Amino acid sequence: AAGVIQSPRHLIKEKRETATLKCYPIPRHDTVYWYQQGPGQDPQFLISFYEKMQSDKGSIPDRFSAQQFSDYHSELNMSSLELGDSALYFCASSFTNTEAFFGQGTRLTVV
Amino acid sequence: QKEVEQNSGPLSVPEGAIASLNCTYSDRGSQSFFWYRQYSGKSPELIMSIYSNGDKEDGRFTAQLNKASQYVSLLIRDSQPSDSATYLCAVNQRDSSYKLIFGSGTRLLVRP
Repeated sequence: AAGVIQSPRHLIKEKRETATLKCYPIPRHDTVYWYQQGPGQDPQFLISFYEKMQSDKGSIPDRFSAQQFSDYHSELNMSSLELGDSALYFCASSFTNTEAFFGQGTRLTVV
Repeated sequence: QKEVEQNSGPLSVPEGAIASLNCTYSDRGSQSFFWYRQYSGKSPELIMSIYSNGDKEDGRFTAQLNKASQYVSLLIRDSQPSDSATYLCAVNQRDSSYKLIFGSGTRLLVRP
């Protein structure tokens, strides 16, 4: 069965650079969630989209933005990167607000 | 108060025993409840969902929901060492909300 695909899997950036993370949801899923998970922490909700419209926002810094495109894939854009942005970034998708399935994540390291 | 609370553990049980994991949530209007398993450095894996009061069984796993007490639990029967992981409780607060909130997770250790 098709799963949520995230790219890239690993990313190394320098401070103050910009990063773009991509997420391809499971086909026919209309909802995408983005999460940030630091070492030893639970996933922190960043933002969600339903039917290509922004739905809910969590603890997403102003330096970050996200959007969902017409083909339902989503991108998380992160600017002016800081050392504290180093984390695992997960995307999940669901059909409306039923079970959400996670991608394998992108490990971002800011040096 | 966190929106979703779990005991961080670790919860240590012998192989073959029943592991009981608990979760409480603060928003009485919450509608959907999920249990995820996460191995270190890996993504959360959905193992159970529950939407109405009572028990739901799937293989060795049973989820229990009590909306009046704002309490969700997960029982793992015949625990195996491979069950050793962090178990995350997640709550979707309202029908119109697309905001899945996680607890901090309970680390489960199953001793051979």
